[in-house]
Amino acid sequence: QKEVEQDPGPLSVPEGAIVSLNCTYSNSAFQYFMWYRQYSRKGPELLMYTYSSGNKEDGRFTAQVDKSSKYISLFIRDSQPSDSATYLCAMGPIYSGAGSYQLTFGKGTKLSVIP
Amino acid sequence: KAGVTQTPRYLIKTRGQQVTLSCSPISGHRSVSWYQQTPGQGLQFLFEYFSETQRNKGNFPGRFSGRQFSNSRSEMNVSTLELGDSALYLCASSPGQGAVGYTFGSGTRLTVV
Repeated sequence: QKEVEQDPGPLSVPEGAIVSLNCTYSNSAFQYFMWYRQYSRKGPELLMYTYSSGNKEDGRFTAQVDKSSKYISLFIRDSQPSDSATYLCAMGPIYSGAGSYQLTFGKGTKLSVIP
Repeated sequence: KAGVTQTPRYLIKTRGQQVTLSCSPISGHRSVSWYQQTPGQGLQFLFEYFSETQRNKGNFPGRFSGRQFSNSRSEMNVSTLELGDSALYLCASSPGQGAVGYTFGSGTRLTVV
């Protein structure tokens, strides 16, 4: 079983739809949960960041973490064509000594919002 | 505030050659991490540098190496290129010392033919 599982999609929705993106994970030590958005030919950019369980809202975006189920979600309300991108979940940290940490990423879900 | 700058943006190399990629982190960031991104494997951690020292390394062969300079700029080198090294190579910077969450550059797209 991979440490982080994410449905690669692709996911295609009409403009204005509510989008739900999800990841499951197996490492119960994860404490930080992030969502990155990656446009074509660009690097990932941090979209949302949550510590431990609970919800966090930022405009049209809501991140949810359920540590008991090892399941995280990103909801996008009133989706726009500009939301078309690949969304990657990331979690950690995995400490490797000497103050170093790394994140574990899902493979990403490709989202297309059709006008 | 300038972001993370990676050069070059695109590279085409022949099998057996070597390549050097460059990354300039956000000013004040001392940690630079490198990732390889492919459609099949997603983002895979290569190594992390902090204050000119490699303090973490992923599961990649010794052909992949890197270094960091006193101004925090970092380079990664891949020797004896193989077709499977074709990927997007991403550099990410962070303030370091436990800060969570990276700022990524736009990456270098390497194609090995």
